[in-house]
Amino acid sequence: GEDVEQSLFLSVREGDSSVINCTYTDSSSTYLYWYKQEPGAGLQLLTYIFSNMDMKQDQRLTVLLNKKDKHLSLRIADTQTGDSAIYFCAERDQAGTALIFGKGTTLSVSS
Amino acid sequence: NAGVMQNPRHLVRRRGQEARLRCSPMKGHSHVYWYRQLPEEGLKFMVYLQKENIIDESGMPKERFSAEFPKEGPSILRIQQVVRGDSAAYFCASSPWGQGRNTEAFFGQGTRLTVV
Repeated sequence: GEDVEQSLFLSVREGDSSVINCTYTDSSSTYLYWYKQEPGAGLQLLTYIFSNMDMKQDQRLTVLLNKKDKHLSLRIADTQTGDSAIYFCAERDQAGTALIFGKGTTLSVSS
Repeated sequence: NAGVMQNPRHLVRRRGQEARLRCSPMKGHSHVYWYRQLPEEGLKFMVYLQKENIIDESGMPKERFSAEFPKEGPSILRIQQVVRGDSAAYFCASSPWGQGRNTEAFFGQGTRLTVV
């Protein structure tokens, strides 16, 4: 079945780069997403990448996609304390109806 | 343009009671999705609705759970005879288009259901 796996925790110092990794199983996924969830809040779409791309950059965010290994990563440059949150990787299900989420990576940024 | 509005934000129910969760999609959005987030877990898809139609309910438990999205008014997720295992955050998302298209789904802030 479709599944998305992520490491659960990441701790970095302010100003460092953060890299959050994700693996997925559905090779037919056309779009892959990164969402951010702050405490007590809903999910905010950070960025997404189409499967025919290897990389996408958006200001401090860089998404890398290795389709052969079904590996997706999110790099946050110059990480700030305001980046502390849970980051979810997601892919669309085969029907294209719903998003399949990983369990989320809790990013903790210390000053 | 208000975002996706969910209410209540927090809901406490005793075992055996009914829980009604409401979701008003963004203006102009006719596609609504409900997800459940159990503690320490990612979001799990429950149901996808368009106005007056259930399109995909493959993630809904077979019993006690139902959802609707009437022509007028919010989408409702209804849980009958709640049990402790229903305690979770329930998120609603809406989009202007649906299946088969890549379109951003906007999420509400969720309803946190606690069953005591």
